[in-house]
Amino acid sequence: KAGVTQTPRYLIKTRGQQVTLSCSPISGHRSVSWYQQTPGQGLQFLFEYFSETQRNKGNFPGRFSGRQFSNSRSEMNVSTLELGDSALYLCASSSGGTNQETQYFGPGTRLLVL
Amino acid sequence: GESVGLHLPTLSVQEGDNSIINCAYSNSASDYFIWYKQESGKGPQFIIDIRSNMDKRQGQRVTVLLNKTVKHLSLQIAATQPGDSAVYFCAENTRYGGSQGNLIFGKGTKLSVKP
Repeated sequence: KAGVTQTPRYLIKTRGQQVTLSCSPISGHRSVSWYQQTPGQGLQFLFEYFSETQRNKGNFPGRFSGRQFSNSRSEMNVSTLELGDSALYLCASSSGGTNQETQYFGPGTRLLVL
Repeated sequence: GESVGLHLPTLSVQEGDNSIINCAYSNSASDYFIWYKQESGKGPQFIIDIRSNMDKRQGQRVTVLLNKTVKHLSLQIAATQPGDSAVYFCAENTRYGGSQGNLIFGKGTKLSVKP
């Protein structure tokens, strides 16, 4: 099976712009979670989607949003970018059942905000 | 301005030695724990997991130990190899109702293997 893929891999934006990142989960996986990784805060949970519905949400401002499509692919959007949004954004997929299952990560999208 | 980065604990071991990486978790309600390995420029890679009804689980060259009394998790790597050099994260997961819940990650430990 192909792993989790994320596009683009690298992105440079300026303050105030918005950005959309894409994630394709492992085939058959229905849950997609997004994480932000920074040197200062480490890995932090953004949100989780399952069957096109946001099922869980972390403590990030409303500028961070996401969605999931019927084929389980997911996108996350960050509006009005700030310098502090520079980070590695990671997507992880899992089968999404009610028991905890392993989350498999993609390579990430490295976002630089200037 | 200069950003303040996480000062990651570093474990330096000789090739062939055993490594032990420790992690203290925060939530006594957490019932599922995972170890991930992250190499430079890559996403976290699953190593091994353990559920709270177990206190030990073994994989290939790796063993995870769980001590729920003191909320402590450890990863043991046998015969450490240069390819094991990476940052290792423990993560805990607590279910909310029927949800899978989210992963809460530790700060990570950098493992450096000397040839």
